[in-house]
Amino acid sequence: GAVVSQHPSRVICKSGTSVKIECRSLDFQATTMFWYRQFPKQSLMLMATSNEGSKATYEQGVEKDKFLINHASLTLSTLTVTSAHPEDSSFYICSANFLFGSGTQLSVL
Amino acid sequence: RKEVEQDPGPFNVPEGATVAFNCTYSNSASQSFFWYRQDCRKEPKLLMSVYSSGNEDGRFTAQLNRASQYISLLIRDSKLSDSATYLCVVNMLGGAGSYQLTFGKGTKLSVIP
Repeated sequence: GAVVSQHPSRVICKSGTSVKIECRSLDFQATTMFWYRQFPKQSLMLMATSNEGSKATYEQGVEKDKFLINHASLTLSTLTVTSAHPEDSSFYICSANFLFGSGTQLSVL
Repeated sequence: RKEVEQDPGPFNVPEGATVAFNCTYSNSASQSFFWYRQDCRKEPKLLMSVYSSGNEDGRFTAQLNRASQYISLLIRDSKLSDSATYLCVVNMLGGAGSYQLTFGKGTKLSVIP
């Protein structure tokens, strides 16, 4: 059945490095995917809407140059956290068609 | 006013109890409504959709009141495995036919033996 697959599930990186998170739709095509961030004991907050073949739409307060989104195919969207800092440590989740990936716990040292 | 507001919780209930969650939403143009369940450090999983006519799935009953912009979830005969955070989610139709999910902060439920 339809599944959203997200990798990696956990990443620990040094401050200043970049981290790429992949989100794939399995058994369906997704022209639109969504990227959320969730801090401990907080709700999911939409960061950006990823559109296949066009630029992503970012929510207010989300830096597009820091959180690079690429949606080059109908089944893959990537989020790259550039020059990560400890305050970027969070749980990142992608979504398509009301389904969610398993999330990526990012820890920046 | 927050777009989607839920009971603050947490709810600590004994096994077998009935527990009700409430949720209100601010945008009257909202299209569809859902309850999701989220376990700690896991992704949200769809529990059920919510309709004006009400819908039931086993021990779970969801209800929507569009006039009051109010959504509810009732869990009967609660089990230990029901312990999780319950998210009220509202879907609004955005530009170009796209949709956008807005999440409540969630209500944490702990079912105690």
